[in-house]
Amino acid sequence: EIVLTQSPATLSLSPGERATLSCRASQSVGSYLVWYQQKPGQAPRLLIYDASNRATGIPARFSGSGSGTDFTLTISSLEPEDFAVYYCQQRSNWPLTFGGGTKVEIK
Amino acid sequence: QVQLVQSGAEVKKPGASVKVSCKASGYTFTTYGISWVRQAPGQGLEWMGWISGNNAKTNSAQNLQGRVTVTTDTSTSTAYMELRSLRSDDTAVYYCARDRVTPRDVGLSDYWGQGTLVTVSS
Repeated sequence: EIVLTQSPATLSLSPGERATLSCRASQSVGSYLVWYQQKPGQAPRLLIYDASNRATGIPARFSGSGSGTDFTLTISSLEPEDFAVYYCQQRSNWPLTFGGGTKVEIK
Repeated sequence: QVQLVQSGAEVKKPGASVKVSCKASGYTFTTYGISWVRQAPGQGLEWMGWISGNNAKTNSAQNLQGRVTVTTDTSTSTAYMELRSLRSDDTAVYYCARDRVTPRDVGLSDYWGQGTLVTVSS
């Protein structure tokens, strides 16, 4: 199965700062990489699909890039509601797999 | 509006089975699939399986094969996930999520249920 490694595990930033999250795949997933946001006690929320496409209703401050094995989620300017855990998921091969997550916390 | 409403929390003994339901509304059930994802306490997300809304195709995680069955009842727009031979490490919140109906498009979970806590304890 494809292993996704997210880094860093924790990102401590202040509101207004730029966040850059990384997801690396153990083998190429093409562009079939998805990003989710999860807040405590809530279900995940779809943010970005197929590496760079924002899901419906997702603000423009969220952007995704990459292909093959290296992907990045960027939050251009952190809002208070953006502090959460972010997961990448590949949908290139069965079984679908998730990365271990990056927690974006308030510095 | 699209909604997925899951059944309530369960407490089970090791070796027992659990069946979680997920009732969909606000869209045509048979034109989408349902994925199941679980999350152990304080841990990350784990994909468990997927079924197309018309029951035509399924797929499940290899490490769960033989213990997990995903089904749907199109007459009630409800999906089910049954997990057998429960162990303590199956304790988790189980989520259903709307996904795509064809296998090659699976992995785009745009609406999620509220989650069902399953606790396995003797």
